[in-house]
Amino acid sequence: NAGVTQTPKFQVLKTGQSMTLQCAQDMNHNSMYWYRQDPGMGLRLIYYSASEGTTDKGEVPNGYNVSRLNKREFSLRLESAAPSQTSVYFCASIRQITDTQYFGPGTRLTVL
Amino acid sequence: QKEVEQDPGPLSVPEGAIVSLNCTYSNSAFQYFMWYRQYSRKGPELLMYTYSSGNKEDGRFTAQVDKSSKYISLFIRDSQPSDSATYLCAMSSDNYGQNFVFGPGTRLSVLP
Repeated sequence: NAGVTQTPKFQVLKTGQSMTLQCAQDMNHNSMYWYRQDPGMGLRLIYYSASEGTTDKGEVPNGYNVSRLNKREFSLRLESAAPSQTSVYFCASIRQITDTQYFGPGTRLTVL
Repeated sequence: QKEVEQDPGPLSVPEGAIVSLNCTYSNSAFQYFMWYRQYSRKGPELLMYTYSSGNKEDGRFTAQVDKSSKYISLFIRDSQPSDSATYLCAMSSDNYGQNFVFGPGTRLSVLP
């Protein structure tokens, strides 16, 4: 039981490059989330998925796309990276709010 | 106005002190209130949750919710250096986290 895994752990991109952040969970959770965390801003929701095949925008969705490939996997894509997207990205999954919530280890992304 | 406000700190206290961490919010639809602890370079981990108004105690930690004032608190008794972390409040209007918002976090340092 690995919990929530994220790849890669670190990434450096040049402005305009694209990349996909991968997230997978093996706990059979329905809900999955992508957050970004910036100093002084806390965790801000980019997108979430309440179930396989559904996705919804969060607070800061611009510049990102997501794909809930199946119940286990939820990927985040940056089509044309910008320096403003330099951040730490966390994927999370939960069964329901009152259960233990699981976060991945984070991806540190730098866009030059 | 942000949906959830939290004093970012940093807050420094001596070992053994009682710590009070607080959040205010504006959305009266929030029903579930959570506190997370995040150590440096790690993902957040759930400490406690409370449904609606009231108090909840777990060891040295007590969570309080006052929905009439839109104000929640986390108290840490007999604080330890291992409590040094960033504490984030989070809120949701349903049990499946479809509207799940984090505060910016308060950085706490407990000095030996």
